[in-house]
Amino acid sequence: TQLLEQSPQFLSIQEGENLTVYCNSSSVFSSLQWYRQEPGEGPVLLVTVVTGGEVKKLKRLTFQFGDARKDSSLHITAAQPGDTGLYLCAGGGADGLTFGKGTHLIIQP
Amino acid sequence: GAVVSQHPSWVICKSGTSVKIECRSLDFQATTMFWYRQFPKQSLMLMATSNEGSKATYEQGVEKDKFLINHASLTLSTLTVTSAHPEDSSFYICSARLWSEAFFGQGTRLTVV
Repeated sequence: TQLLEQSPQFLSIQEGENLTVYCNSSSVFSSLQWYRQEPGEGPVLLVTVVTGGEVKKLKRLTFQFGDARKDSSLHITAAQPGDTGLYLCAGGGADGLTFGKGTHLIIQP
Repeated sequence: GAVVSQHPSWVICKSGTSVKIECRSLDFQATTMFWYRQFPKQSLMLMATSNEGSKATYEQGVEKDKFLINHASLTLSTLTVTSAHPEDSSFYICSARLWSEAFFGQGTRLTVV
């Protein structure tokens, strides 16, 4: 069974600060996705990374896939209240998609 | 990206009644759809995998007679919560995969009174 560990589970920071969320596993994934879920809504796909070492940027969000394709990170620069939500990583493999437990992020104005 | 539509967004029902939630893939065909349950401040909990034309596969601890899943077409899966009780109140979310990516419905907030 493939497992994805996300850290931290909860994070509350002030507007304007930077943060990094981690997604780690002992398994190799063919791809990795990051999702954001706002309260009362379904998760929305932010990005997919497929190549070891790949870096993708989405405005103030930077996603990196580990060289060995076992881990990933999400870095947010100058966080804003609109970034508040549950961030989920999901790894793709032969068994389908495996989801992490998520990081609850609160950006306080 | 692909679109998955879930209906209704919210429903309030009386204890003992049944509630049906629909999940549709609007612009692609999905032979497999997934149903999740989510409690406040927690992540997604996979309930079952819905397979078009065959029986759903339920996760351990999920009552298949309680949560009936029907995947009658390549674009529609339904989850029926039978004889609902207050403890069934939760946020239910469906998803469908296109290649390696999952696309989620908007979720359904079920409140059983």
